[in-house]
Amino acid sequence: GQNIDQPTEMTATEGAIVQINCTYQTSGFNGLFWYQQHAGEAPTFLSYNVLDGLEEKGRFSSFLSRSKGYSYLLLKELQMKDSASYLCAPMDSNYQLIWGAGTKLIIKP
Amino acid sequence: GAVVSQHPSRVICKSGTSVKIECRSLDFQATTMFWYRQFPKQSLMLMATSNEGSKATYEQGVEKDKFLINHASLTLSTLTVTSAHPEDSSFYICSAVNPGEGNQPQHFGDGTRLSIL
Repeated sequence: GQNIDQPTEMTATEGAIVQINCTYQTSGFNGLFWYQQHAGEAPTFLSYNVLDGLEEKGRFSSFLSRSKGYSYLLLKELQMKDSASYLCAPMDSNYQLIWGAGTKLIIKP
Repeated sequence: GAVVSQHPSRVICKSGTSVKIECRSLDFQATTMFWYRQFPKQSLMLMATSNEGSKATYEQGVEKDKFLINHASLTLSTLTVTSAHPEDSSFYICSAVNPGEGNQPQHFGDGTRLSIL
């Protein structure tokens, strides 16, 4: 089957760094997306990895290891507005995104 | 770029009413749009994939006669929840893929919160 494993909830301090890990199993693989979803809102696209390695985009970076079925999202210089759920979504061989419940990130002052 | 507009943002109506939700790609042509449903604290659940000019592909367990999808143009897909009941109350979200983007992420509308009394 296809599944995604992320921590349910994480807490971090404003200004700090946090890493959200994701392991996945899919039928085929066409890249992995990270989305941010604030409570009551739709997801917004953050990053995409299809090759192994680190992709950096401002305060956010995403890493992928295809052989390990592993990705992480790294958030630096945390701000209160970063409090949200972060969704790891690999794309399977049919180009469908596989969604888990995401990681709820709580930022404390 | 890649803006998706969804309307209405919130609907409250009586049981038995049919509700129509629109999803528009504003600055690109989307041959494929997706319709999701999300219950509180749960993951996004894909309901159907909407392809312009052809019938939608529904996920297992989703009633096609209850959730009517029309994708009549490259910028508009509609989801009609027919004869809605309280158990249909949920957050409905559409997304669209911009073929012009290399990695083809799904861009989401703002969602529609549907409450059936």
